[in-house]
Amino acid sequence: AQSVTQPDIHITVSEGASLELRCNYSYGATPYLFWYVQSPGQGLQLLLKYFSGDTLVQGIKGFEAEFKRSQSSFNLRKPSVHWSDAAEYFCAVGAGNDYKLSFGAGTTVTVRA
Amino acid sequence: DGGITQSPKYLFRKEGQNVTLSCEQNLNHDAMYWYRQDPGQGLRLIYYSQIVNDFQKGDIAEGYSVSREKKESFPLTVTSAQKNPTAFYLCASSMSGGGWNTEAFFGQGTRLTVV
Repeated sequence: AQSVTQPDIHITVSEGASLELRCNYSYGATPYLFWYVQSPGQGLQLLLKYFSGDTLVQGIKGFEAEFKRSQSSFNLRKPSVHWSDAAEYFCAVGAGNDYKLSFGAGTTVTVRA
Repeated sequence: DGGITQSPKYLFRKEGQNVTLSCEQNLNHDAMYWYRQDPGQGLRLIYYSQIVNDFQKGDIAEGYSVSREKKESFPLTVTSAQKNPTAFYLCASSMSGGGWNTEAFFGQGTRLTVV
């Protein structure tokens, strides 16, 4: 079965600085990878997804992620963080014909002025 | 607008009572899911359904029950057997077929508190 690890529980970043959130997955074949964002008390919103092709994918809100098969990673990046990016971010992996997604424990991002 | 509606947003339950959380979608998705979210634990799958009148247990199904009588609806009952029900519950749906189509769309969640 597939699994996801998000090594960073909490990250604090200054407004305007760059942000990188780490995600490592475990799966024997090519995974389907997703990043979601959750504001407090809300549901999850899809930021971006990777299925195949170009390993650098662009998403909404200025986010991008890079799939690195050799490192089993799918890290999320944003060049310049805005205060509204303060939220919790989840990496998720799907596999093959399995309907289920496996989620990481999440990374909480705090943005300081 | 298409989407997933969960109700109520907040729910209080006395110990020993069953309570049902509603989830409705108008996205014409075949698959629906229930997740439980606790601080620092991410999302854990309770139940999922790939088609009407069929559902499977997820990782933490004990103390919960579901039904899938209509494509649009996937209610979750938290029974008195659930020892620690206070949590944030998220419903999601996705198209059938797995793989790429496992992109899940989420409702706004229901916060259940046992008093």
